[in-house]
Amino acid sequence: DGGITQSPKYLFRKEGQNVTLSCEQNLNHDAMYWYRQDPGQGLRLIYYSQIVNDFQKGDIAEGYSVSREKKESFPLTVTSAQKNPTAFYLCASSISVTALTGELFFGEGSRLTVL
Amino acid sequence: AQKITQTQPGMFVQEKEAVTLDCTYDTSDQSYGLFWYKQPSSGEMIFLIYQGSYDEQNATEGRYSLNFQKARKSANLVISASQLGDSAMYFCAMNNFNKFYFGSGTKLNVKP
Repeated sequence: DGGITQSPKYLFRKEGQNVTLSCEQNLNHDAMYWYRQDPGQGLRLIYYSQIVNDFQKGDIAEGYSVSREKKESFPLTVTSAQKNPTAFYLCASSISVTALTGELFFGEGSRLTVL
Repeated sequence: AQKITQTQPGMFVQEKEAVTLDCTYDTSDQSYGLFWYKQPSSGEMIFLIYQGSYDEQNATEGRYSLNFQKARKSANLVISASQLGDSAMYFCAMNNFNKFYFGSGTKLNVKP
């Protein structure tokens, strides 16, 4: 079945460590996104990518990095520079960034906890 | 500036009754899309309904309908005949200027 796969589902990190969250989609979508969700709050955009080898910062990009070497993959690295990384991370994709009618398809999320 | 505003942090509704979740948005663009998502406690985001800014009729999907009032910039979600399984967080979102903006959500509790 087509969809978005995020891994790991749960991740624990010590302070000062970088961690990478995986996101893979087989929907043949051009656009991919990373969102952060804190308890009881909405989604905030970290990074998004419209095409391979191109990505843009969202509203809260500091302390995060991404790559888009393949259309199917959009990994997110949470670096040690991110001061408060404990959160729920959601990866999403859409047909294209400019298609207004295209809804976001989401993965099941990755819950990161800093010990 | 806040793009999407959901003013109801929490709502209660009796099973089998209808409920309206409020959403207002802010944009200077004429072309945009409005979406509603449901997030159960498991965390997954489930797409419910879409309304385009040029659509003249309100969108409907089963028990979900979107009350779109363009002049007021509101896009309220109406859930008819509430079910216990409707208990979840609900997010309004807008696709504008190549970004999706989300509101802070409304937690809906359906009482038996």
